[in-house]
Amino acid sequence: GAVVSQHPSWVICKSGTSVKIECRSLDFQATTMFWYRQFPKQSLMLMATSNEGSKATYEQGVEKDKFLINHASLTLSTLTVTSAHPEDSSFYICSEASGAGIHNEQFFGPGTRLTVL
Amino acid sequence: TQLLEQSPQFLSIQEGENLTVYCNSSSVFSSLQWYRQEPGEGPVLLVTVVTGGEVKKLKRLTFQFGDARKDSSLHITAAQPGDTGLYLCAGLGVGGSEKLVFGKGTKLTVNP
Repeated sequence: GAVVSQHPSWVICKSGTSVKIECRSLDFQATTMFWYRQFPKQSLMLMATSNEGSKATYEQGVEKDKFLINHASLTLSTLTVTSAHPEDSSFYICSEASGAGIHNEQFFGPGTRLTVL
Repeated sequence: TQLLEQSPQFLSIQEGENLTVYCNSSSVFSSLQWYRQEPGEGPVLLVTVVTGGEVKKLKRLTFQFGDARKDSSLHITAAQPGDTGLYLCAGLGVGGSEKLVFGKGTKLTVNP
């Protein structure tokens, strides 16, 4: 399966600042990548589908102006949390399915732990 | 909206015991996937089941897809501490959607 990396693995920032998280597909070209958020002891919540060369598709209830997604190349998607607040503290995970079969099995990055003070 | 209900939500057992985790829905899925996630890491794919009634085995783990493709189960035989983790089922809907629907997960703790 595909190998996906994320950077940084953890970040602490002050309220009101912006944080950029990178997601890289190391061995496949990924035209589509997915961004999830996971709160403690909860499951994954899909935030948006990142499409290379076009706008991301956001899930209902996710603010596109707050969570900016850029998928400028086939191997890199970035998620920027703008004007972060403590309630944005969460575990953010990206995934891609380019190395999978027809059932869209996901290969996940190791996640980024964001803590907003 | 397609939903996947997982049960139990939490499970704490002793090493050597057997256990079953269930994943149920009122919707039909074209396939169901099981993932295992350890703290601070991303989920890792364990298996995909596709055909109604299908049974797949992965060492001590047995996965079953319901005949109607609405539910699935994961059975672990002789659990070991290394099996500890969050087990997630995820369904791919019919109709060509790329998005997976995730269950809320089962947090398994196997005590030595």
